[in-house]
Amino acid sequence: KQEVTQIPAALSVPEGENLVLNCSFTDSAIYNLQWFRQDPGKGLTSLLLIQSSQREQTSGRLNASLDKSSGRSTLYIAASQPGDSATYLCAVGGNYGGSQGNLIFGKGTKLSVKP
Amino acid sequence: KAGVTQTPRYLIKTRGQQVTLSCSPISGHRSVSWYQQTPGQGLQFLFEYFSETQRNKGNFPGRFSGRQFSNSRSEMNVSTLELGDSALYLCASSSLLPGLAGGKDEQFFGPGTRLTVL
Repeated sequence: KQEVTQIPAALSVPEGENLVLNCSFTDSAIYNLQWFRQDPGKGLTSLLLIQSSQREQTSGRLNASLDKSSGRSTLYIAASQPGDSATYLCAVGGNYGGSQGNLIFGKGTKLSVKP
Repeated sequence: KAGVTQTPRYLIKTRGQQVTLSCSPISGHRSVSWYQQTPGQGLQFLFEYFSETQRNKGNFPGRFSGRQFSNSRSEMNVSTLELGDSALYLCASSSLLPGLAGGKDEQFFGPGTRLTVL
């Protein structure tokens, strides 16, 4: 059974810091991994998608890496800003219990960037 | 291009009632998935539809059902509501067939429907 864990559950940093969010998964047979951002009471915004054949993806100040063999992904945020404050969710897509393609989510890391 | 839209945004119902939630995917997207989000359980998969066919269903009771129409719009229905059904219900769409697209099937989520059961 695929399980996704995100550590830490919460993180508070001063503005301008570079930071790393961690995601680990138990089953390396994944199709892809997606990072999302969720603001309070809102839906999910897709940040980065990494296909299983890829090692990393970059978008602006964000860089996500994937190491399937060790079951880990990291989301690196450079020069953090107060507007980055949100909950960051990691999700893996794979064939789980006969279901193909549905995402398995971690519980998220709640990030607070202080001005 | 408009994003995923969900209606209504907020709903208040009482135990025992029934509710229908609607999702319109991004134009051109044929895959629609539904998720339930609660503080305790996080995000859990409900169903996935592609071309009007339910491909997958998560571990939820039969009170939860859904369907997809020929224009790819989807609805989900919850009958005999229970207090524990209070949650944010999120819909996601993808242009590719999830799981069979080489991992390129990026999922785009709507704003959700907040259901409160009293």
